[in-house]
Amino acid sequence: SAVISQKPSRDICQRGTSLTIQCQVDSQVTMMFWYRQQPGQSLTLIATANQGSEATYESGFVIDKFPISRPNLTFSTLTVSNMSPEDSSIYLCSVMTGANVLTFGAGSRLTVL
Amino acid sequence: SQELEQSPQSLIVQEGKNLTINCTSSKTLYGLYWYKQKYGEGLIFLMMLQKGGEEKSHEKITAKLDEKKQQSSLHITASQPSHAGIYLCGADRLSGNTGKLIFGQGTTLQVKP
Repeated sequence: SAVISQKPSRDICQRGTSLTIQCQVDSQVTMMFWYRQQPGQSLTLIATANQGSEATYESGFVIDKFPISRPNLTFSTLTVSNMSPEDSSIYLCSVMTGANVLTFGAGSRLTVL
Repeated sequence: SQELEQSPQSLIVQEGKNLTINCTSSKTLYGLYWYKQKYGEGLIFLMMLQKGGEEKSHEKITAKLDEKKQQSSLHITASQPSHAGIYLCGADRLSGNTGKLIFGQGTTLQVKP
């Protein structure tokens, strides 16, 4: 299965600022997914990132708030823009690997003050 | 929209006891994933079931997908403290292993030594 590295693992940010989360995979993958886990909640899909095309966002998520880049088949970034305390969450990158297994990174824990 | 309901929400068992966690879907399940999450960490893939009646085991954990494909159960035999964590079921919203999962709310398991 793929190994996924996310940076940063955690961060504390001030309201109104933006943070970019990086996701690096050790193999080439077509689709990468970004999920959010708010405190005490389950996971929600934010968007799907395909290399060479714009990300596809789920209902309730918009590109201006969560811009995503996918410059190649092993890397993606998610930016959380103009942050508010409601954005405090764990953000997880995931990829579909062989045998149709959805593998997750360790997550980036974001706290907004 | 499809929803996944997990039961119980939390569980405390004595080491050595067996336990079962259920995941019920409001719609037909096309692919059902089980993950384990330690506090503040990413998701560890346990098993994926696709066919009605399918059953998979890994070490002391067995997962089943019922014939009507709307419910899955995760059974742990002779629980150990290492089994403690949050168990999440996730389901593909569409057929074809899209990677776009919806998740249940999770079941928190504590195992008392």
